[in-house]
Amino acid sequence: AQTVTQSQPEMSVQEAETVTLSCTYDTSESDYYLFWYKQPPSRQMILVIRQEAYKQQNATENRFSVNFQKAAKSFSLKISDSQLGDAAMYFCAYRTSGEGGSEKLVFGKGTKLTVNP
Amino acid sequence: DAGVIQSPRHEVTEMGQEVTLRCKPISGHNSLFWYRQTMMRGLELLIYFNNNVPIDDSGMPEDRFSAKMPNASFSTLKIQPSEPRDSAVYFCASSFGQGLSYEQYFGPGTRLTVT
Repeated sequence: AQTVTQSQPEMSVQEAETVTLSCTYDTSESDYYLFWYKQPPSRQMILVIRQEAYKQQNATENRFSVNFQKAAKSFSLKISDSQLGDAAMYFCAYRTSGEGGSEKLVFGKGTKLTVNP
Repeated sequence: DAGVIQSPRHEVTEMGQEVTLRCKPISGHNSLFWYRQTMMRGLELLIYFNNNVPIDDSGMPEDRFSAKMPNASFSTLKIQPSEPRDSAVYFCASSFGQGLSYEQYFGPGTRLTVT
C-alpha cells in the first residue's frame, strides 16, 4: 500500500520569506499524481498544487512550487514571499493513476505552518 | 456553483445514538468520497462511489458504519450505534473524471462529537 510521510509536524516562517515543506512517499507504481492541500483554521481543504509523475517539469502556481524528485520519491512544497494568509495545515497526498486503480487520496499527517509578521 | 454541501456542520450526540451525515456533491461530478479526519489517524478515506456505485469501502471501520448514494446528487454516511471514538471531522468530496489529474473538491466537513 502507498504511504505518505511528512516529517515536519510544524514549521514557521517570517512574512515575505521562503519556506519549504517536505514530503516523501512510498509506492511501487510508476504512474501517479501528487498533491498539496491547504487546510486553514476554517478546516476547508483547498488544493494548492498538483504534479503528474510522468512530467519531469516541476509544477508552479504563483508563489507555490514543488521540487519533485521521482527517484528519491520526494515531493516538497516551496512557498515564496510568505503571507499571513498562508498560515495553515498543509497536507501532501498521493493518488494512483493506473487504469482501474483506486481514486482515493492517501494523505500525509500534515505540517502546521505558522507565518510570523 | 455552491460547491460540495454537507449537513449538519456540527453534530453532538450521545453514545449509542444513530448519526446520519449528508452530502450533496457538485452537480455533474460522478465520484463521491467520504473521508474522516482525526488527530491520531489524520485524513483517511472511508468509502468512495463512482456513478453512484460503491467502489472502495476498505476504509469503513466496521459494521456500525454504512454509506449510501441513492442518486447522483445525494449521499449519506450513517453510524449506528455511535461511540466516542467516532468523534472526528467527516469530509465529503466530489470529482469529475477518472485517469486524469483531476481535483477532488471538499465540502466544509461535519464535526461529530460523541459523548
